[in-house]
Amino acid sequence: EPEVTQTPSHQVTQMGQEVILRCVPISNHLYFYWYRQILGQKVEFLVSFYNNEISEKSEIFDDQFSVERPDGSNFTLKIRSTKLEDSAMYFCASILGGNTIYFGEGSWLTVV
Amino acid sequence: GQNIDQPTEMTATEGAIVQINCTYQTSGFNGLFWYQQHAGEAPTFLSYNVLDGLEEKGRFSSFLSRSKGYSYLLLKELQMKDSASYLCAVRDRIGGYNKLIFGAGTRLAVHP
Repeated sequence: EPEVTQTPSHQVTQMGQEVILRCVPISNHLYFYWYRQILGQKVEFLVSFYNNEISEKSEIFDDQFSVERPDGSNFTLKIRSTKLEDSAMYFCASILGGNTIYFGEGSWLTVV
Repeated sequence: GQNIDQPTEMTATEGAIVQINCTYQTSGFNGLFWYQQHAGEAPTFLSYNVLDGLEEKGRFSSFLSRSKGYSYLLLKELQMKDSASYLCAVRDRIGGYNKLIFGAGTRLAVHP
């Protein structure tokens, strides 16, 4: 079964540092997403990406966040200057265009 | 706006049947999904409804009524491994793009 892969699985970073979370979506998929889940809370939409540009972003996705698809396979989420409240599990997801959205295993980010 | 409500917690006995309800309000409804999530893991796809009625998939069934903004997930022959959070998610299509909006999840505890 095809899968979305994410790295790193865990990262601890100091407040104010930049973090890049990486995702390799399923190869022929067209739509890509980042979601986050703060411990004990619900899964929240951050951003969707299609045709090499952001198609939609939530209020959470402020100027500290950016996404890019640098080489046609990786899909990255960058947090420029991390805050304590950025500590969460970050999920990448991709979809070809049908009904099944495939989630990666997630990247745990802890900001200290 | 968007709003998805589901009970916070439920308990059930091994071998029994449990029904998890979900009500939603959204402006661009384009399907309803149920996901299972074990603690610290990614959501895994269980079912999808876009038309009214019941979809059955082994021990799991999901029902949708679009006019009532209501869905339920039915789990039969409960097993201990079914202890997890069950996430109701609505696919919202605004401006031509889809995204999933998740409810807060229902934590199901299955006991012997």
